Amino acid sequence: ETGVTQTPRHLVMGMTNKKSLKCEQHLGHNAMYWYKQSAKKPLELMFVYNFKEQTENNSVPSRFSPECPNSSHLFLHLHTLQPEDSALYLCASSQDEWGRDRGMDYEQYFGPGTRLTVT
Amino acid sequence: GENVEQHPSTLSVQEGDSAVIKCTYSDSASNYFPWYKQELGKGPQLIIDIRSNVGEKKDQRIAVTLNKTAKHFSLHITETQPEDSAVYFCAASRTNAGKSTFGDGTTLTVKP
Repeated sequence: ETGVTQTPRHLVMGMTNKKSLKCEQHLGHNAMYWYKQSAKKPLELMFVYNFKEQTENNSVPSRFSPECPNSSHLFLHLHTLQPEDSALYLCASSQDEWGRDRGMDYEQYFGPGTRLTVT
Repeated sequence: GENVEQHPSTLSVQEGDSAVIKCTYSDSASNYFPWYKQELGKGPQLIIDIRSNVGEKKDQRIAVTLNKTAKHFSLHITETQPEDSAVYFCAASRTNAGKSTFGDGTTLTVKP
């Protein structure tokens, strides 16, 4: 148990559906991340949030829409996905970059992921 | 941006043998190098990390070495056990960057 939980663990959706992935961390971190893991690209960073503000969008298509209402929760809203979007979606959290500068814990803690299948 | 290359992509060893996984990075400003282990059905978990002011770090059967001049670092696992079988990822980052660039992973199989 890493302190980062993700729901649901498995999701099957059609291309016209709208669904959301949820991530919650209980570690007191201020940075949260979404990664996509597939056979083609093992760990592909999608979004980064620091103190609820998006600080990085790694050229992700607009059919993926992140939301970070507070430092403990992160959502990924999905709509009109394509079959090639099928993958494991991993959430992670860490100290914010300023905490890292103060010599605090550098580690990223990952959740177990949501296995998404788009049909 | 940073680019991390990891080799080999698959590695099979006999139980009790050693395993070595190597990574190279491109950004000379990177100063933090973690290694993650990912078991089936789980997210990656940190197993060891090294910062640029250190050349080697050891934790029981696991060790990591760093050569900043050559921009490469390696994971060494000694006396491998079947439970070491997993996918291993290296990563590189600047400690004030808030994110790491990951290698493509190595699937390690330890045969009993």
